[in-house]
Amino acid sequence: AQSVAQPEDQVNVAEGNPLTVKCTYSVSGNPYLFWYVQYPNRGLQFLLKYITGDNLVKGSYGFEAEFNKSQTSFHLKKPSALVSDSALYFCAVREADRGSTLGRLYFGRGTQLTVWP
Amino acid sequence: NAGVTQTPKFQVLKTGQSMTLQCAQDMNHEYMSWYRQDPGMGLRLIHYSVGAGITDQGEVPNGYNVSRSTTEDFPLRLLSAAPSQTSVYFCASSSGGSGTGGSHEQYFGPGTRLTVT
Repeated sequence: AQSVAQPEDQVNVAEGNPLTVKCTYSVSGNPYLFWYVQYPNRGLQFLLKYITGDNLVKGSYGFEAEFNKSQTSFHLKKPSALVSDSALYFCAVREADRGSTLGRLYFGRGTQLTVWP
Repeated sequence: NAGVTQTPKFQVLKTGQSMTLQCAQDMNHEYMSWYRQDPGMGLRLIHYSVGAGITDQGEVPNGYNVSRSTTEDFPLRLLSAAPSQTSVYFCASSSGGSGTGGSHEQYFGPGTRLTVT
């Protein structure tokens, strides 16, 4: 069965410091991995995705994520955090090439990132 | 493009009432889905559709119905509202219909906050 784990409910970091939001996943085959961000009272916004190719993926707002197949992880990172990065972050996984179950994108429970000045 | 729109933004229902949450997208996306978001639970898939006339159940389909008569619209019907259906509901769409392997990111609407008393 497919699943996503975000082991930290909250991550707190000072502005200007690097940040990491962790994500591990479980799928039977090859994964498609996504990160989304949710600001208060808003819908989710796409940040970045890993489909194939380079393990380091760069996305919006200076975020990047590294796909690690052996550790089944897809951690979100940013070299220098901003107060405006404070939001709820979701990791999601879909198993590639599953035509009949194409629609099933599995989300983690979310990690609340707080960046303090 | 308006993207994904949802109406209403807020709704209060009494137990046993029925209602329809509307979702529309103007991006000609094949794939549409409904999620509910509850604190500490992340997003859970209710129903999804890979094209007009095709729908399928997600993780938590009980108490909800959907139909997809056009590419643009994907309404979610609550048959007989219960307090357990108090939640925030998000509609999403992507161009990842059948044959694309599910590699496309989803676009989310702003959400409907539903309270059932």
